[in-house]
Amino acid sequence: SQELEQSPQSLIVQEGKNLTINCTSSKTLYGLYWYKQKYGEGLIFLMMLQKGGEEKSHEKITAKLDEKKQQSSLHITASQPSHAGIYLCGARIQGAQKLVFGQGTRLTINP
Amino acid sequence: DVKVTQSSRYLVKRTGEKVFLECVQDMDHENMFWYRQDPGLGLRLIYFSYDVKMKEKGDIPEGYSVSREKKERFSLILESASTNQTSMYLCASRARAGGTYEQYFGPGTRLTVT
Repeated sequence: SQELEQSPQSLIVQEGKNLTINCTSSKTLYGLYWYKQKYGEGLIFLMMLQKGGEEKSHEKITAKLDEKKQQSSLHITASQPSHAGIYLCGARIQGAQKLVFGQGTRLTINP
Repeated sequence: DVKVTQSSRYLVKRTGEKVFLECVQDMDHENMFWYRQDPGLGLRLIYFSYDVKMKEKGDIPEGYSVSREKKERFSLILESASTNQTSMYLCASRARAGGTYEQYFGPGTRLTVT
């Protein structure tokens, strides 16, 4: 089973709508990283969250870390076609010396 | 800006061939990683290296080997390619742990084994 679970695995939204992607760990989180991947390309770093309750924003993308729930959420406001792609969360978790990754969320934005 | 480059974007090889995937980073990072990415499975770590000539097995090392002769270069080797190794291969690097585990990724190599 995945140590990091992302939901949903796939998401189709109308342009202009808001959306949320979740990343939940089965173990204690020591740092949470969000990446975006355009189809067939490498990963682009978006944000890093390290403290419980931390919230960061970049343009219309906001990420929060809920330490108690061992969960992070990525929220996109007023989605645009440029937001389309695969979003992956990576995390340092208890007992791991490396990052583990979720399975990814494929986001499609319909015009 | 950190730059991680991979030798090929697309590669098609035959079953049984020996395959070399090259990764180069220009930020003097100590740590380098090879992942494969498959639909529904996310990124899975194959091997990583924390210094020149040092390597450690990741989660799925079977059928792969690596080489790190120079700090900037980390090679992934498929000794005898098989069809189940058809995948997207991603290389990453990061500085030695100092509070952040942020990794920088290359553009990926999509390998097809026929």
